[in-house]
Amino acid sequence: GENVEQHPSTLSVQEGDSAVIKCTYSDSASNYFPWYKQELGKGPQLIIDIRSNVGEKKDQRIAVTLNKTAKHFSLHITETQPEDSAVYFCAASPWGAGGGYQKVTFGIGTKLQVIP
Amino acid sequence: SAVISQKPSRDICQRGTSLTIQCQVDSQVTMMFWYRQQPGQSLTLIATANQGSEATYESGFVIDKFPISRPNLTFSTLTVSNMSPEDSSIYLCSVEGAGEQYFGPGTRLTVT
Repeated sequence: GENVEQHPSTLSVQEGDSAVIKCTYSDSASNYFPWYKQELGKGPQLIIDIRSNVGEKKDQRIAVTLNKTAKHFSLHITETQPEDSAVYFCAASPWGAGGGYQKVTFGIGTKLQVIP
Repeated sequence: SAVISQKPSRDICQRGTSLTIQCQVDSQVTMMFWYRQQPGQSLTLIATANQGSEATYESGFVIDKFPISRPNLTFSTLTVSNMSPEDSSIYLCSVEGAGEQYFGPGTRLTVT
């Protein structure tokens, strides 16, 4: 089955700096890579996802990059703000666009702290 | 995206008892999932529940311990049976919609 490794486990940045979280996956069939943000006391919230037909996707201060050859994908947060403080989970799945659901495997999570 | 609610939001239970967690979605969905998140850990899939069929359990999880109901396309329940302190976790309901997966707010369970 799929194995997703995520690092770092904790990350502290100064407000306004950038934060980068990296993940690797093992199953070459995976083609869907979502990222979730979990604030304290809440459920995970989907913040961005990328499919294997693109190498990069941006949404305001958040961007994801994907290197299918190396089986790496990363989350980049620019101009960090205190409200970005949360646990971030990467995930991978062979769940193709328009196809039936395939199990999503999650990384261990990264606790991001943005220091004002 | 789907709006998911769970009841209760948290509970403290004694070992040996059972707790039923409810999950309500604001739209009809085919696939619903139940996850466990132990303190400081990642998300572990317990089972997939499709309306009209038996739930499919992941390795390490059994129906006798985690019975699931899925009576319609907007509702599901997960029961944690004969609880022990090791069952203390956050239990999350999740649904699939439009090619994405969404999570509820979670039920925080403490077993004493």
